[in-house]
Amino acid sequence: KQEVTQIPAALSVPEGENLVLNCSFTDSAIYNLQWFRQDPGKGLTSLLLIQSSQREQTSGRLNASLDKSSGRSTLYIAASQPGDSATYLCAVKWGAQKLVFGQGTRLTINP
Amino acid sequence: DAGVIQSPRHEVTEMGQEVTLRCKPISGHDYLFWYRQTMMRGLELLIYFNNNVPIDDSGMPEDRFSAKMPNASFSTLKIQPSEPRDSAVYFCASSLGAGETGELFFGEGSRLTVL
Repeated sequence: KQEVTQIPAALSVPEGENLVLNCSFTDSAIYNLQWFRQDPGKGLTSLLLIQSSQREQTSGRLNASLDKSSGRSTLYIAASQPGDSATYLCAVKWGAQKLVFGQGTRLTINP
Repeated sequence: DAGVIQSPRHEVTEMGQEVTLRCKPISGHDYLFWYRQTMMRGLELLIYFNNNVPIDDSGMPEDRFSAKMPNASFSTLKIQPSEPRDSAVYFCASSLGAGETGELFFGEGSRLTVL
């Protein structure tokens, strides 16, 4: 079964720290992996998409890496800010158009 | 572009009533998806369309759920009759292309409460 797991479910860190969010998946034959951010009561905002042939993508203070052989992706957030507080979701596309989502990591940045 | 637009944002209804949720995808996108999000089950794909044609509806929970896409700029998700267990946030999303590309963009969601 193709599954996506995100650990931990919640993370709280002081402002200014660099942090890493983890995503693992069960089948390495992926099409792509996408990281989203979700604020309370809001929709999902796409942060980064890594294609199967890529190893990483960067956008501002965010860097996402992909290691298909180990079934892992990480989202690195540099110099965290209170505005980064949200739930971060990882989603993997294995075929057709079906994205399978992890349960998310709820991130709190403390001022 | 205005992004994916959903309506209504909030819907409160009584058990047995018909509910219709609406979605306008991003102009030019050829894929449209309906997801449901609950605390217990997370995000679940209900159905998706390609060029207005339903491709996979295996995630639709029951015959009470139906979805249509009459044209490239409009889709509906209908629940008839609604039940309390249908309470959730329903998201519409769209993307352009398939394969390795095809970044998914979500609407703000429709929060449904069935009493």
